[in-house]
Parts: sequence; C-alpha cells; structure tokens
Amino acid sequence: GQNIDQPTEMTATEGAIVQINCTYQTSGFNGLFWYQQHAGEAPTFLSYNVLDGLEEKGRFSSFLSRSKGYSYLLLKELQMKDSASYLCAVRDSSGAGSYQLTFGKGTKLSVIP
Amino acid sequence: DSGVTQTPKHLITATGQRVTLRCSPRSGDLSVYWYQQSLDQGLQFLIQYYNGEERAKGNILERFSAQQFPDLHSELNLSSLELGDSALYFCASSVHEAGELFFGEGSRLTVL
Repeated sequence: GQNIDQPTEMTATEGAIVQINCTYQTSGFNGLFWYQQHAGEAPTFLSYNVLDGLEEKGRFSSFLSRSKGYSYLLLKELQMKDSASYLCAVRDSSGAGSYQLTFGKGTKLSVIP
Repeated sequence: DSGVTQTPKHLITATGQRVTLRCSPRSGDLSVYWYQQSLDQGLQFLIQYYNGEERAKGNILERFSAQQFPDLHSELNLSSLELGDSALYFCASSVHEAGELFFGEGSRLTVL
C-alpha cells in the first residue's frame, strides 16, 4: 500500500508564492504527479516528476526527492483563480507491467486579496 | 475538455437500487480508471482496465463491478446502493498504463 500526506488547507495572498508539500511511502515508486481540482470539477494535470530535481512549467514548479519520499509544488505570482485543491499522486509499479496511481487527500488552497 | 466523456452527469436514486455509469475514454487511450470521491475525501482508486483486461483493483466493494468493452468504453455498475455510496465517480483514461491520466467531468451519484 501507499501512504501520502499533504496539508489539508493553506491560505496565501494574491501575488505571493506558496509551497505545498507532499510526503509519501511506497515500495514500487514509478513517478509523482500533481493535479489541480476546482470544487466539483475534474482534476487536471499540472506536473510530473520521476527523477530527482525541479521541473518548471510557467508559474508552477514541482520538486522531487526520491530518497526522502518528498515532493513539493511551488506556485508563483498567485492569482485568485489558483484557489483550488492540489492533489499529490504517486504511481506505484506492482509488477507484471501493472501500475496504480494513488492520490493524497489534497490541499485546499485559498488565495486572498 | 479532456476528451473523456462520462454519463450521466447527475443521478439520483434510492437505497437498494442499481445504477450503471458509463465512460468513453479519449480517442486512442487504451487504459481506463475509475475513482470515487466522497465529500471531504480524496480520490479513491476503484479499478483499472487496459485494452479490455482488468489490470489493477483498489478498495472496490463487492457490490460494485466494472468492465471495459471491445470499443474501449467502460461501465461501472453499482448495486444494492447505500447512502454512503453517494459520491462523485470519476473515470480517467491514459494512452498506456504508465501515462498521464485525463479525467472526465464525473458522475455525481446521490442515494436517498
């Protein structure tokens, strides 16, 4: 099984930077994803890390340390529309070519003026 | 628009009933996943199919079953419904099993 932990809620100010952390434990790590989900809507893909280091994509960056079982999502120049839940998901390889993507409970980010 | 289509968008039914949720994956995607999301809960993995074959199973109840058809669409059957089954049910698809998931808009099930 997997254990994925991320903060339940965070609040940040418009224009600021926020870092959302995620820690995980898994036996067959095969990649880490970040998804954004607005209330009542479908999750949408933000980023993917499989090797250690930082992946930058516009205002969003994601970092991974496999040895520490740790990732973070960095959001810069926050906008009101960034208010959403951010889901950390770990892909686990269970062998025989089978993969499973397990999601954390998500971090609800509120951006305030 | 992710390209993944789910029907119905909303469904209200009574306890003890049975419903079928349908998912059409993105064109070309062979893998289909079903997730359940209850209020204040994360996305719970139910089951995954690849090209018609069951590939992985999560904490799916015995009252629930699914299949993927030759045309790659998938159906999730929920029977003997209970109040606690009220949730958003998401379908997602990917090109291959190790690929990025694209989610449909979800089917919101309310059991009264």
